[in-house]
Amino acid sequence: AQSVTQLDSQVPVFEEAPVELRCNYSSSVSVYLFWYVQYPNQGLQLLLKYLSGSTLVESINGFEAEFNKSQTSFHLRKPSVHISDTAEYFCAVSKKGAQKLVFGQGTRLTINP
Amino acid sequence: NAGVTQTPKFRVLKTGQSMTLLCAQDMNHEYMYWYRQDPGMGLRLIHYSVGEGTTAKGEVPDGYNVSRLKKQNFLLGLESAAPSQTSVYFCASSDGTLIGEKLFFGSGTQLSVL
Repeated sequence: AQSVTQLDSQVPVFEEAPVELRCNYSSSVSVYLFWYVQYPNQGLQLLLKYLSGSTLVESINGFEAEFNKSQTSFHLRKPSVHISDTAEYFCAVSKKGAQKLVFGQGTRLTINP
Repeated sequence: NAGVTQTPKFRVLKTGQSMTLLCAQDMNHEYMYWYRQDPGMGLRLIHYSVGEGTTAKGEVPDGYNVSRLKKQNFLLGLESAAPSQTSVYFCASSDGTLIGEKLFFGSGTQLSVL
């Protein structure tokens, strides 16, 4: 069975600083990887995904994540964060052909002015 | 386009009471899911359905029942609420072609059991 570990429950950073949110997964088969974002008092929204091909994937709002098969990681990064990035971020994995998505514990990103 | 709608948005129950959470989607999706979200534990799958009339257990199904009598609706029932079921509940739906990429979430139901 797949599992996902997000190593940091909370990450406080200053505005315009870089940030990395860490995600490791375990699976013995090929997987798809996702990052979801949850803004305050809202449901989750897809931020970016890795399905195949280039190991570096990007979102429209400046986030990127790199699939590292040897380290079984899919860390999320942004070179310069904004106050509007304050949210909880969830890493998720699904096995190819699966009917379910498995989520990590979430990382709360807090941006300080 | 309403997407995924959950009702109610908030509810307070006493231990032992029962209630039903309703999830409705207007995207003609085959797959529907119920998750609960608890601090430090992320989202955990309660039950899911891959089509009208079908249901399956997720990671934490105990204490919950579900029904999918109509394709657009997925009901989550608590027969005898317990304080451990205090949580935020999210419904999600997907067309099933690629789980994760096309998963749409409702805005959540905050349930407190006293």
